[in-house]
Amino acid sequence: DAKTTQPPSMDCAEGRAANLPCNHSTISGNEYVYWYRQIHSQGPQYIIHGLKNNETNEMASLIITEDRKSSTLILPHATLRDTAVYYCIVRTASYDKVIFGPGTSLSVIP
Amino acid sequence: GAVVSQHPSRVICKSGTSVKIECRSLDFQATTMFWYRQFPKQSLMLMATSNEGSKATYEQGVEKDKFLINHASLTLSTLTVTSAHPEDSSFYICSARESPVRLSNQPQHFGDGTRLSIL
Repeated sequence: DAKTTQPPSMDCAEGRAANLPCNHSTISGNEYVYWYRQIHSQGPQYIIHGLKNNETNEMASLIITEDRKSSTLILPHATLRDTAVYYCIVRTASYDKVIFGPGTSLSVIP
Repeated sequence: GAVVSQHPSRVICKSGTSVKIECRSLDFQATTMFWYRQFPKQSLMLMATSNEGSKATYEQGVEKDKFLINHASLTLSTLTVTSAHPEDSSFYICSARESPVRLSNQPQHFGDGTRLSIL
């Protein structure tokens, strides 16, 4: 699996958009970008994933650069409940293991 | 959406006790499940891959005799921490992906974890 790098922590004001970056410069053509988050003392929650096109669902948007070497997860209107550790993971579709890096600890501030 | 249930959510027991944790896929079948361990302020660490009807595959450094995994059905995997000691205290989390795989890129779904405290 390609390695990812994320900032260790970020702050975001409540109600504003939270933009969480992820670098995956060694990503290969058949690898997807997945985002999960973990709220304190809970299991990880799937957010969104994509291959090369931008994706949007009810939770977030995923913007992948044209060269696919980086991506940004966007929470359009952050709430206090979005405070969590966000993990960006790159893997092939057929590869089952999900290996977690340190992630980004997002704090949403009132 | 797909739901993975873990039981118990919290367990406290004495040193030397064996503890069993269950992981169930509630509305889908999973031939493969995964077990993770997480220490405070650290990320999740993959311990092993649980395969229905066959032996589990353990990650390097994980003692297979210490952490017994049984995946007897398409909806249930169990992790038994044998002769648990205080250093085994941790947050244990399982995950599963639906099978047969309808979409090759579908995500894994995680349980809410089991907090194990060994006194």
